[in-house]
Amino acid sequence: GQSLEQPSEVTAVEGAIVQINCTYQTSGFYGLSWYQQHDGGAPTFLSYNALDGLEETGRFSSFLSRSDSYGYLLLQELQMKDSASYFCAGDKAAGNKLTFGGGTRVLVKP
Amino acid sequence: DTGVSQDPRHKITKRGQNVTFRCDPISEHNRLYWYRQTLGQGPEFLTYFQNEAQLEKSRLLSDRFSAERPKGSFSTLEIQRTEQGDSAMYLCASSLRTSGSEKLFFGSGTQLSVL
Repeated sequence: GQSLEQPSEVTAVEGAIVQINCTYQTSGFYGLSWYQQHDGGAPTFLSYNALDGLEETGRFSSFLSRSDSYGYLLLQELQMKDSASYFCAGDKAAGNKLTFGGGTRVLVKP
Repeated sequence: DTGVSQDPRHKITKRGQNVTFRCDPISEHNRLYWYRQTLGQGPEFLTYFQNEAQLEKSRLLSDRFSAERPKGSFSTLEIQRTEQGDSAMYLCASSLRTSGSEKLFFGSGTQLSVL
């Protein structure tokens, strides 16, 4: 089964900020990645945190705290096109295979 | 376009039949992954290759599944004696192995329906 836990669904309005949390077992992962997947589409890479702290890429930021086995993806200035599923994924070592969480479906309303 | 391509996009088969899917990765990528995804779930790791070597296979993968990457370029995933539980989206991804993080590029997948 999945060893990364995420909320199943989040709803927000355009322009709002959404934080998607990802917690994982303490036996744990080296780094944390985030992928976006629109309905019927392929997952696409958003960010990767190898070190603790915040990584910012435009409207999206990702945070990792390995001591807390916790990370999050922050979506700012939400747009309708951000409606999608978002997956956190951990790797056991740098460059190792990814294990994905169950995904969080984000619904952006006007 | 030099993205990851998968063929076919959709496959409908009867239980007990064999199916084979093909994945063409981004040409300079040395790693190739197969994942399986069911509706509302995250991708589940099946196996991966570095060049032509199969480095890891999921313990969840039964002996009915086999994958090859004969020349370190395209890959095939075969499922023998399909079962209804095999119905899923089969995703292929490729990456360029470096000393740092791994960014996967996914194909659009093959949707398998076993009747």
